[in-house]
Amino acid sequence: KAGVTQTPRYLIKTRGQQVTLSCSPISGHRSVSWYQQTPGQGLQFLFEYFSETQRNKGNFPGRFSGRQFSNSRSEMNVSTLELGDSALYLCASSPEGGAVYNEQFFGPGTRLTVL
Amino acid sequence: AQTVTQSQPEMSVQEAETVTLSCTYDTSESDYYLFWYKQPPSRQMILVIRQEAYKQQNATENRFSVNFQKAAKSFSLKISDSQLGDAAMYFCAYRSGSGTASKLTFGTGTRLQVTL
Repeated sequence: KAGVTQTPRYLIKTRGQQVTLSCSPISGHRSVSWYQQTPGQGLQFLFEYFSETQRNKGNFPGRFSGRQFSNSRSEMNVSTLELGDSALYLCASSPEGGAVYNEQFFGPGTRLTVL
Repeated sequence: AQTVTQSQPEMSVQEAETVTLSCTYDTSESDYYLFWYKQPPSRQMILVIRQEAYKQQNATENRFSVNFQKAAKSFSLKISDSQLGDAAMYFCAYRSGSGTASKLTFGTGTRLQVTL
C-alpha cells in the first residue's frame, strides 16, 4: 500500500495570505490527524477527522481549520498567516480512530515558511 | 492534561553499543498507550515501539525495548547494538485509552547521534 502523502512538500507564503495543505491517507484508513511541528513548541496536535467529521481539536486559534472528504482525504487551511505559523505540518492516518488502539502512520510533512 | 517530558535533548552512542533514552509522563488516567517514534532527517515519523499501560510486560521489538514503570510514570527506550541508521530524533508520545481520542501528546524529543 502507498503511504500517507502530503502535498505540497514545501510552501512559501507571506503574512496575511492563506494556505491549504492536503493529505491523502493510506487506502482504507478513515482517521486523519494533523500536527504542527516547530523548534519552539515541538509537536502539537491540531485536529482529527473521522468519517468527514472533526472529532478532536487542539488548542489552536480559529484561523486553523480543516475538513475531510468522503474518500478520507483531508485538507487543512490556515488563514491570515502569521510568521509564527512557519512550521512542518504533519498528517497521520490510522485505520479507525476509536477506543480500540490503532497505530498512526505519518506522512512526510509540508514545510510552510511564512515571510 | 497529560504531559510528556524528555529531559535529554541530545544523546550520543557508539556503533554497536547500547543507549537508553528517558521519558516521563504525567496523567491521571489508568488506561493509556505509550509510544516511541523515530524521525530521521528525512522527517517521516516512524513508530518504533508501543506499550499498553495495562500490560506489565515490557514491549520489545528486535533491538528496541522499553522499561515501563507505571507507578513512576516512566517509559524509557533502550536501543541495543546501535547502528548508524538509528541516528534520528526520538519522540516519546502518550495517547489516552478512553473515548475516541486519537490525539498523541509528544515530548520535546531526543536527538540521537551514532558515532563510529
